[in-house]
This record gives sequence, structure tokens and C-alpha cells, in this order.
Amino acid sequence: ELKVEQNPLFLSMQEGKNYTIYCNYSTTSDRLYWYRQDPGKSLESLFVLLSNGAVKQEGRLMASLDTKARLSTLHITAAVHDLSATYFCAVGRSNFGNEKLTFGTGTRLTIIP
Amino acid sequence: DTGVSQDPRHKITKRGQNVTFRCDPISEHNRLYWYRQTLGQGPEFLTYFQNEAQLEKSRLLSDRFSAERPKGSFSTLEIQRTEQGDSAMYLCASSWSHSETQYFGPGTRLLVL
Repeated sequence: ELKVEQNPLFLSMQEGKNYTIYCNYSTTSDRLYWYRQDPGKSLESLFVLLSNGAVKQEGRLMASLDTKARLSTLHITAAVHDLSATYFCAVGRSNFGNEKLTFGTGTRLTIIP
Repeated sequence: DTGVSQDPRHKITKRGQNVTFRCDPISEHNRLYWYRQTLGQGPEFLTYFQNEAQLEKSRLLSDRFSAERPKGSFSTLEIQRTEQGDSAMYLCASSWSHSETQYFGPGTRLLVL
């Protein structure tokens, strides 16, 4: 059974600081997704990583994928308050042409002014 | 707005009642997914449609749950004889192909009293 673990589960950081969220998964996959969720809202897609060594950046967020280590990271540079949210990674597995996503438990990020 | 829509957004029901939720995916997407999210957890996969065919169901989907996508467009998720443990956010997502981003709707929050 595929397991996806994120750490830390909770992260409180000051504005302007850098930090990294880690996503480990237990079985082989070369598709990794990052989503953001604001309280009471649905999930917003941030990144899709489709191969080993993939790196994508958008603003202050950068995601990378190492399929050999079964590890993805989400790096936050010079955090600002607007980045406060819960971040989920999800691993894709294909059955019947389906991209069944298995999500981690999420990292609740709070940016302190 | 061409995003994924769900109706209703909130539903309160008494234990033992039946409820039905609707999802309208992005119009050109042929893949449609249902997930369930409980408080403090990541979404869990429930079922998947490719066009009108339901190709995979999770073990989480007990006999009380049924989903349809009769014309390959909108989908419905029905829960019969609701239980308090069914209280959750039910999320619908759609995508164009198996390795592309799944776009999530706003969700239906169900509370079973």
C-alpha cells in the first residue's frame, strides 16, 4: 500500500525566512503533485512533477522531485504572509488509465509577520 | 467560469437519510474523480470515471455509496442511510489525461447529525 508522509506537519515561520517541506513516499512513482488549501476551501494546484530531477518554480515556491529517493521538496523563499495555508503533496499511480492520487496528511504553514 | 462546480456546497442531514451530491467537471475533461476529506487529513480517493465508465472504486466506498456519470459529463454521488462517520468534505476533480493536473471543485461539506 502506498504511503505518503509529509514533514513537518505544522510549520510556523517568520516572514522573510526560507524553509523546506518534505514529502516521502513508499513505492515507485514518477508523478508528484503539490496542492495548496486555504481554510474551508478546496485545493489549488501548484506544481506537477513528472520525471526524476524535475524542478519547477513559481514565485517564492520551488518544487523538486527525486524518484530514486522517493522524495519531493517544496522550498519557500523569503516567506510572506499570503503563503499561509496547508500544503499537500500527492503521488500519482495509474490503474485503468486513472491517475489515482494518494495524498499526504498536509503541512499547515503559518507565516508570522 | 469554466472551473469544476459542485452542488450543494453544504448539506446537513439526519442519520439514516439519503443524500445526493452533484459535480460538473470542466467541460472538455473526460476524467472525473471523487475524493473525501475529513478534518485535518488529506483527501482520500473514492472513485474514478473515464467518460461514463466507472473504472475504479476504493474500498472506502461501501455499498451505501453509489456514483454515476450517465452521459460522461456531470456526475452524482449518492450516500444512502447516512451515518455520522460520513461527515466530511466531498471533493470532485476532473482532468484531461492521466498525467495532467486534477482540478478540484469547491467541495460539498456534509454533516450528519
